[in-house]
Amino acid sequence: DAKTTQPNSMESNEEEPVHLPCNHSTISGTDYIHWYRQLPSQGPEYVIHGLTSNVNNRMASLAIAEDRKSSTLILHRATLRDAAVYYCILRFMEYGNKLVFGAGTILRVKS
Amino acid sequence: DTAVSQTPKYLVTQMGNDKSIKCEQNLGHDTMYWYKQDSKKFLKIMFSYNNKELIINETVPNRFSPKSPDKAHLNLHINSLELGDSAVYFCASSPAWGELFFGEGSRLTVL
Repeated sequence: DAKTTQPNSMESNEEEPVHLPCNHSTISGTDYIHWYRQLPSQGPEYVIHGLTSNVNNRMASLAIAEDRKSSTLILHRATLRDAAVYYCILRFMEYGNKLVFGAGTILRVKS
Repeated sequence: DTAVSQTPKYLVTQMGNDKSIKCEQNLGHDTMYWYKQDSKKFLKIMFSYNNKELIINETVPNRFSPKSPDKAHLNLHINSLELGDSAVYFCASSPAWGELFFGEGSRLTVL
C-alpha cells in the first residue's frame, strides 16, 4: 500500500486558516488523494478528495502539488469544531474502494 | 434519521464469549465495511461487502465472521472473544467508488 506521511500534530488559532500537509511520494498515477477527519468519539467523516487538480468544497480546499507527491488540506477559518484527527489517504482503484488509514494529524484549535 | 447505525454502542463481555454487532445503512449504498480502531487509534479495514458479496477480507482471525443478509445490513459476529479484540468497531457504507459514511462506532471491551 502506498504510504502517506503527516505531522503528528498541529495547532491553530480559531478563525485563522490551517494548512495540513501530506507527503505521498510513492503515489501512482491512478491513486486518488482522500482526506477524512475524525472528531472525538465519532466515526471518520469525509472531507475532500482529488486526483490532479486543486479542489474546493464547503468544508475545505485541497491543493495538490504538480508532481502529486504532496498535498495540503486547507481549512479557511478554523473553528473549535474543527479540532479532530485528519487523515490523508491514497485510494487504490485496483483494490476496490479500500481506504488505508495512517496515523493522521491531530489538529488542536485554540480560542 | 441516522444514515449508518450500529448496535450496540457499548458492549462489555467476558473472554471466551460470542458476540455480535449489527450495522444498518439507509443510504441505498451497494458497499459496506467493517473497520477496527484499536487503543492506539489506528483504523484498519477488516471486511468489505458489495451487494452481499465479500470483496475485501483483510488478515482477520477466523473468529470474526461478517454476514450480510441484504445490502442494507452488515453484521459482525465474533466467536471466542479475546482481550485483544477490545477496540472500537466502525461500520461504513459507500456507493461503488464514492466517499465512505461511517457509523458512530461500537466500543467492545473484553474482560
